[in-house]
Amino acid sequence: AQSVSQHNHHVILSEAASLELGCNYSYGGTVNLFWYVQYPGQHLQLLLKYFSGDPLVKGIKGFEAEFIKSKFSFNLRKPSVQWSDTAEYFCAVTLYSSASKIIFGSGTRLSIRP
Amino acid sequence: NAGVTQTPKFQVLKTGQSMTLQCAQDMNHEYMSWYRQDPGMGLRLIHYSVGAGITDQGEVPNGYNVSRSTTEDFPLRLLSAAPSQTSVYFCASSYKGGTEAFFGQGTRLTVV
Repeated sequence: AQSVSQHNHHVILSEAASLELGCNYSYGGTVNLFWYVQYPGQHLQLLLKYFSGDPLVKGIKGFEAEFIKSKFSFNLRKPSVQWSDTAEYFCAVTLYSSASKIIFGSGTRLSIRP
Repeated sequence: NAGVTQTPKFQVLKTGQSMTLQCAQDMNHEYMSWYRQDPGMGLRLIHYSVGAGITDQGEVPNGYNVSRSTTEDFPLRLLSAAPSQTSVYFCASSYKGGTEAFFGQGTRLTVV
């Protein structure tokens, strides 16, 4: 079965540190890739998405992600985190063959020390 | 700009009770879905719909029913609530398959 893995369950960083959250998916076909963010007590919001083209995509609030097809990865990065980035981050995939389903990873909780 | 609206925001049920979680979207999206969010497990798909009159099961459909009589509404029914259904439920909609999903604010359900 298709799956999305986020290996970091909880990441703690200080302000201004650099961030990289890992995401790997298991599916050999064409995919669309997403990162969503959930701030405390709120619903999920889209950070960025990749459908095709340049594998380095830029999203809101200074986040970016790189799609590496050979590694089935879509890691999220930010050069310098802020306290307001404290949230839970979800990687998600839709499959070209079954685009009606979004498959989510288990999420990574990011805590930023002020 | 309402987007996706879920009601209620909070609910406490006794084991065996039934209830319906409401979801409505005003973006004319064809695709709608229900997820449950549990700690450490991410979001798991319960049921989804690709258009009015069409529904299908997701990853964890047992104990839940859905129907899609209109494009706008996609209610989720719990037939006989169980403590294992204690969770946060999110409704989402998207323009078409593979595109960005827009989420409601969630319903926090506790079954005692």
